[in-house]
Amino acid sequence: QSVLTQPPSVSGAPGQRVTISCTGGSSNIEAGYDVHWYQKLPGTAPKLLIYGNNIRPSGVPDRFSGSKSATSASLAITGLQAEDEADYYCQSYDSRLSGYVVFGGGTKLTVL
Amino acid sequence: QVQLQESGPGLVKPLETLSLTCTVSGGSVSSFYWSWIRQPPGKGLEWIGYIYHTGNTDYNPSLKTRVTISIDTSKNQFSLRLRSVTAADSAVYYCARVPMGPDDGFDIWGQGTMVTVSS
Repeated sequence: QSVLTQPPSVSGAPGQRVTISCTGGSSNIEAGYDVHWYQKLPGTAPKLLIYGNNIRPSGVPDRFSGSKSATSASLAITGLQAEDEADYYCQSYDSRLSGYVVFGGGTKLTVL
Repeated sequence: QVQLQESGPGLVKPLETLSLTCTVSGGSVSSFYWSWIRQPPGKGLEWIGYIYHTGNTDYNPSLKTRVTISIDTSKNQFSLRLRSVTAADSAVYYCARVPMGPDDGFDIWGQGTMVTVSS
């Protein structure tokens, strides 16, 4: 069971907007640690989509955006395209024990 | 352009030690944090641990007793050793760079290498 909770799956039609949530707890997201998002296509390495809650690395389309509240984070994808079909993972940091990196369980995005 | 490449055996016997190396090209390991992450077949991503160029390390609590990550600045490489492996350690293993502090995102990844634990 992952420390960060994501919905197992989301779906949307081309052109639509979808959001993926990432919920943590008092030792990670609620403690103020940043959330980062990755896109994982089959057979390829994860790609950093969003870092520092809402910052897009160079080359990532502005269709992808991130946000964070006091208790959770979200990834939004607008203008959905067939090529967006992938697994998406959130990542943060947990302060328990000596501190460690935590991932969400992943969300499968299906483009209908 | 910084690139990472994992190398090591694709098959390891149960109870033996898994050893992988990540070679960094186009940049130096003498900066930043460097990490190992794995993904078992059909499952999600799991952080294994990281090392700073000074040699400071931290590990996933669930793997801490079996893991060692080391760095060789002369070869521009860092390595993973996972002891007493079982089938549950079969996974694609990735090395990755952490550009800022240990709570930052992983901005550059290797292509990954599949390791199977089987006799």
